[in-house]
Amino acid sequence: AQSVTQPDARVTVSEGASLQLRCKYSYSGTPYLFWYVQYPRQGLQLLLKYYSGDPVVQGVNGFEAEFSKSNSSFHLRKASVHWSDSAVYFCAHTGNYKYVFGAGTRLKVIA
Amino acid sequence: EAAVTQSPRSKVAVTGGKVTLSCHQTNNHDYMYWYRQDTGHGLRLIHYSYVADSTEKGDIPDGYKASRPSQENFSLILELASLSQTAVYFCASSATGWNQDTQYFGPGTRLLVL
Repeated sequence: AQSVTQPDARVTVSEGASLQLRCKYSYSGTPYLFWYVQYPRQGLQLLLKYYSGDPVVQGVNGFEAEFSKSNSSFHLRKASVHWSDSAVYFCAHTGNYKYVFGAGTRLKVIA
Repeated sequence: EAAVTQSPRSKVAVTGGKVTLSCHQTNNHDYMYWYRQDTGHGLRLIHYSYVADSTEKGDIPDGYKASRPSQENFSLILELASLSQTAVYFCASSATGWNQDTQYFGPGTRLLVL
């Protein structure tokens, strides 16, 4: 069965610090993986996606993610966060033509 | 820029009443989706559609109906609203149903059933 696990419900980091948000997926087939961001009172917006090739994919606003088949993971990273990065981040996986979303990680960036 | 709009943005409904949530997209996309978001959970798929006048059940269709009268419009209908249907509802569209396709989301409708 497909599943996506984001083990950290909330993460707080200081502005300028580096960030990693964790994502683990479960699927036996070819993984198609996404990170979406949800700003307050808005719908989800795509940050980046991966489905083949270089395991490190670049996204918008300096975000990147690294796919690891051996670890069944797709962690999101950013070298230096800004206060405007405060949002909820969702990892998602598609297989069998259906999205499965993780529960989300709420990121708070403090001064 | 892809555009998905939803109305209303928020609604208070009474238990047992009928609720209709509307979604409109200007992306010329074939696929449209309705999700619900509950605190502590990811988005869960209620219904989807890949062509006008046809809808398909998602993972949690019980208590919901959907209608796709045109390519641009997709409605979610709660015939008898219940307390457990209090949630935020998102509509999304995508060009295809392929696994690597990006979904474009509306801003959401916050529904409170009393």
